[in-house]
Amino acid sequence: KQEVTQIPAALSVPEGENLVLNCSFTDSAIYNLQWFRQDPGKGLTSLLLIQSSQREQTSGRLNASLDKSSGRSTLYIAASQPGDSATYLCAVDQGGKLIFGQGTELSVKP
Amino acid sequence: EAGVAQSPRYKIIEKRQSVAFWCNPISGHATLYWYQQILGQGPKLLIQFQNNGVVDDSQLPKDRFSAERLKGVDSTLKIQPAKLEDSAVYLCASSGRTGGEKNIQYFGAGTRLSVL
Repeated sequence: KQEVTQIPAALSVPEGENLVLNCSFTDSAIYNLQWFRQDPGKGLTSLLLIQSSQREQTSGRLNASLDKSSGRSTLYIAASQPGDSATYLCAVDQGGKLIFGQGTELSVKP
Repeated sequence: EAGVAQSPRYKIIEKRQSVAFWCNPISGHATLYWYQQILGQGPKLLIQFQNNGVVDDSQLPKDRFSAERLKGVDSTLKIQPAKLEDSAVYLCASSGRTGGEKNIQYFGAGTRLSVL
């Protein structure tokens, strides 16, 4: 059974810092891995999707990597801003079914 | 392009009552998902539709939860009777693909259910 774990559960950093969020999964048979952002009281917004054949994806200040063999992904956020404050969720896709981690709640202090 | 629409945004009911949630996916999206997100946890898939057929409902508590997708567009999720542990946010998502490496799911804002 696939299990997805995110560490840390919460993170507080000062504005301008570079930071890394971690995601691990137990079954490497995945189609892709996705990172989402969730703001309080709102739905999920897809940030990056890494296909199983890829190693990383970049969008602006965000960079996500995928290592299927070790069952790990990282989301790197450069030069963090207060507007980045949200909960970040990773999810692995197994046949169209997304299995989520519990999320990392990020707070960026001005 | 309009996103995934859900209603109501909030619902408060007493245990043993019934409740229904509505979802309108992005136009043209054949695949529709319902997820349950309990506070402090990641979303958990309840049911997946492909057009108006069920693909996966293995985690749907069928003794109290039901869902339908008429005409392959809108969908409703019903709980009857509700229990305290059903308090959660119910998220609807849709996708233009049936699966695969490039399958991106687009989520609605969710319905927050409180069962008292």
